[in-house]
Amino acid sequence: EVQLVQSGAEVKMPGESLKISCKGSGYSFSNYWIGWVRQMPGKGLEWMGIIYPGDSDTRYRLSFQGQVTISADTSISTAYLQWSSLRASDTATYYCARSRVRGTFDAFDMWGQGTMVTVSS
Amino acid sequence: DIVMTQSPLFLPVTPGEPASISCRSSQSLVHSNGHNYLDWYLQKPGQSPQLLIYLASNRASGVPDRFSGSVSGTDFTLKISRVEAEDVGVYYCMQSLQTPSFGQGTKLEIK
Repeated sequence: EVQLVQSGAEVKMPGESLKISCKGSGYSFSNYWIGWVRQMPGKGLEWMGIIYPGDSDTRYRLSFQGQVTISADTSISTAYLQWSSLRASDTATYYCARSRVRGTFDAFDMWGQGTMVTVSS
Repeated sequence: DIVMTQSPLFLPVTPGEPASISCRSSQSLVHSNGHNYLDWYLQKPGQSPQLLIYLASNRASGVPDRFSGSVSGTDFTLKISRVEAEDVGVYYCMQSLQTPSFGQGTKLEIK
């Protein structure tokens, strides 16, 4: 069974760093793009960026470039989304999702359960 | 950036009746391979989004055939032939031709 399992909810203070994870199983992790999508409270979906674990090719939406870092470790089939200094405006649920087909991206056919991140002083 | 505009934003529907959601792109979504790079997702209450339609008109695995997608130029439509109670949630279109972007979402509720 193909699955993406994300790390648990986090509560952080402004200025702290954070790394959340997304573990893939049931498929060849290296050969499918993994993307990250933000959903702020009560709002819609925002595409943040995407990584191809096989060669670490990473693309970011311009508004997230420099604000977050996307990475992947193929040895443990896990993708990451990290912040070096959180802001209150980073409070949101973050979803990882897998590309529908090997090697290319046209849709996300598998989604993680989401990781809720709360940033508050 | 390509801007995706959905309508309506709120859609009350009687069970058994059809429903239609529109998504307009600010530019063509036709790839060099001839496909329109437009997908439809449903986010049911309290759940992660799920893929319904990819490349404008292809149903994802396990999606009931009451869901269909179509395109005319830069206008995309998701149709539900007969709405069921389990179809409630927020529907999003997403273009993936360039840096992907979602529409604002359409909330479908049962009357």
